[in-house]
Amino acid sequence: EIVLTQSPGTLSLSPGERATLSCRASQSVSSSYLAWFQQKPGQAPRLLIYGASSRATGIPDRFSGSGSGADFTLTISRLEPEDFAVYYCQQYGSSPNTFGGGTKVEIK
Amino acid sequence: EVQLVESGGGLVQPGGSLRLSCAASGFSFTGYAMSWVRQAPGKGLEWVSAISGSGGSTYYADSVKGRFTISRDNAKNTLYLQMNSLRAEDTAVYYCAKDKVYSGNYYALCDYWGQGTLVTVSS
Repeated sequence: EIVLTQSPGTLSLSPGERATLSCRASQSVSSSYLAWFQQKPGQAPRLLIYGASSRATGIPDRFSGSGSGADFTLTISRLEPEDFAVYYCQQYGSSPNTFGGGTKVEIK
Repeated sequence: EVQLVESGGGLVQPGGSLRLSCAASGFSFTGYAMSWVRQAPGKGLEWVSAISGSGGSTYYADSVKGRFTISRDNAKNTLYLQMNSLRAEDTAVYYCAKDKVYSGNYYALCDYWGQGTLVTVSS
């Protein structure tokens, strides 16, 4: 089973700042099958990025994904008030698919 | 508009059973694999089970294998999760989710999620 480690656990930033979230896998993720989800309190996860760098439908271009192999990054270029949430990475290239422990982006 | 509405959660004693349902609408149900993903209170996401579009292939996490059974009724556009021999560690919000890829095969990438139903296992 591939273990995904997300860092940092919490990111304290102000609106307008740039957020950089990391997701490191215990082994290479097949075909860059890496996704990012956003989750707000009391809500379901929302797909942001799939295939490491493709934005899902309706996702603003301030969200971008990059990386390959075992190291992946989610970047939010300029934080909007609605972006403060928990972010999870998921690998879906190997069975079982697995999620990282999450990074909370909070208002500084 | 894609809609996924879970139901069937509640309080159950350890060793008990519960069946969750997920009513789907707004897409061609048979064309997509479906999954259940859970989230324990204050914790992260954990994939539980998945089923192909036809229902002919099923997949389970080791933590629930032999205790949970996933199924679907394509005539009713409904996904199910039968949960038996429940344990305290099964306490979580259970989400149903739709695969992103239209093929019927299971790809494990979910683009739409329901709002979840809470299962609490406690005496």
